[in-house]
Amino acid sequence: SQQGEEDPQALSIQEGENATMNCSYKTSINNLQWYRQNSGRGLVHLILIRSNEREKHSGRLRVTLDTSKKSSSLLITASRAADTASYFCATDAGGYNKLIFGAGTRLAVHP
Amino acid sequence: DGGITQSPKYLFRKEGQNVTLSCEQNLNHDAMYWYRQDPGQGLRLIYYSQIVNDFQKGDIAEGYSVSREKKESFPLTVTSAQKNPTAFYLCASTAGAQAGYTFGSGTRLTVV
Repeated sequence: SQQGEEDPQALSIQEGENATMNCSYKTSINNLQWYRQNSGRGLVHLILIRSNEREKHSGRLRVTLDTSKKSSSLLITASRAADTASYFCATDAGGYNKLIFGAGTRLAVHP
Repeated sequence: DGGITQSPKYLFRKEGQNVTLSCEQNLNHDAMYWYRQDPGQGLRLIYYSQIVNDFQKGDIAEGYSVSREKKESFPLTVTSAQKNPTAFYLCASTAGAQAGYTFGSGTRLTVV
C-alpha cells in the first residue's frame, strides 16, 4: 500500500530555478521524511519533519508540513544540475519504525 | 565509515533457483528493512526486523524469506516461488522511530 503520493511525477527546470515537489498522504503520521535517489543508487535521507512542526530548513532545502491537509512540500532553491534525481516522501503511517514510500518525483535540472 | 553494504551489485537468477542477497551494516542499528523497487515506481516493503531473531512480513513478502541471526546482518532469499523477481532490491536500517533510514546501494536482480 502506498501512503504518500508525490506531485508532479516529473519536473524539468533550468539551473538556478526553484523546484517544488508535493506529497499527500492519507492517515495520521508522527513524522514525514524526504529522500533523494540518483539513478541506479540507494536512497539518501534529506530531512525529517515531525507532525508538530510546520517548516524545516536544511541548506537549500525547505520542507513544509500541513497536517490538516495531510500534505507536505519540498522546495529546492537555486537548483543545480547535480540536483537531478528522484525525490520520495515517506511517512511512518505503516506503524512504529516502518516507512511507506510514495512513487516519487523525477527532477531534471538542465544546465 | 559506518554504512550499509549490499552485495552483489548485480545478480542473475535462472528459473527455479533460490538466490540470497546480502545486507550488512556497521551502524549498530536495531531495525533493518528490505524494499523492492520496480522501474519508475516507489519502494514496497518486503520484510523488516526490529531486533535480532525477530522479523515481520511487509506488504509483498510472498516468495521471499529472511533471517536475522546477527544484529549486523539481514540477508534476503528470493525463492523460486517468487514469480516475478526482476527488480532493484534495497536494504535499509535505522536507529529509531524519529531517525531517517540509511540505505545500501542496492542489488539489481534479473531473471535469465
